[in-house]
Amino acid sequence: KQEVTQIPAALSVPEGENLVLNCSFTDSAIYNLQWFRQDPGKGLTSLLLIQSSQREQTSGRLNASLDKSSGRSTLYIAASQPGDSATYLCAVGGEGQNFVFGPGTRLSVLP
Amino acid sequence: NAGVTQTPKFRILKIGQSMTLQCTQDMNHNYMYWYRQDPGMGLKLIYYSVGAGITDKGEVPNGYNVSRSTTEDFPLRLELAAPSQTSVYFCASRRLASSTDTQYFGPGTRLTVL
Repeated sequence: KQEVTQIPAALSVPEGENLVLNCSFTDSAIYNLQWFRQDPGKGLTSLLLIQSSQREQTSGRLNASLDKSSGRSTLYIAASQPGDSATYLCAVGGEGQNFVFGPGTRLSVLP
Repeated sequence: NAGVTQTPKFRILKIGQSMTLQCTQDMNHNYMYWYRQDPGMGLKLIYYSVGAGITDKGEVPNGYNVSRSTTEDFPLRLELAAPSQTSVYFCASRRLASSTDTQYFGPGTRLTVL
């Protein structure tokens, strides 16, 4: 059974810092991995999706990498802004094409 | 496009009551999902559907039922509500189950069972 963990559980950084969020999964037989953003009281918004054959995806200040063999993905946020404050969840897509979600990392970017 | 809509946004139930959480998507997506999210936890899959008339259980289906009579609608039914069902419920949809298709989420329904 796939299990997904995220470290750290919470992170607080000053504005302008570069930061890395980590996601680990136990079963490397995945179809894809997706990073989501969740604002308080809101639904999830997709940030990046990496197919199993890809190593990384980039969108603006965000870069997500995938290392299937080690069961890890990282989300890199460059030049963080207060508007980046949210909870970030990773979700692993496997057999049956359903996703298994991690518990999330709660990010606070201080002005 | 409204995307994925959910009603109600909030609801308080008494133990033993029943209710239906509504979910509608206007993107003509084949796949629809119901998740619950407990504080500090990731999303857990309750039920999913790969098309009208087809539903299947996810990881935590006990205490819930679903139906999919149309492509657009995927209601979640709670029978005999229990305090353990206090959670935030999210509906999601996806065009296909391919490695490139993302899920689109509704805003959620916050349910409290007292």
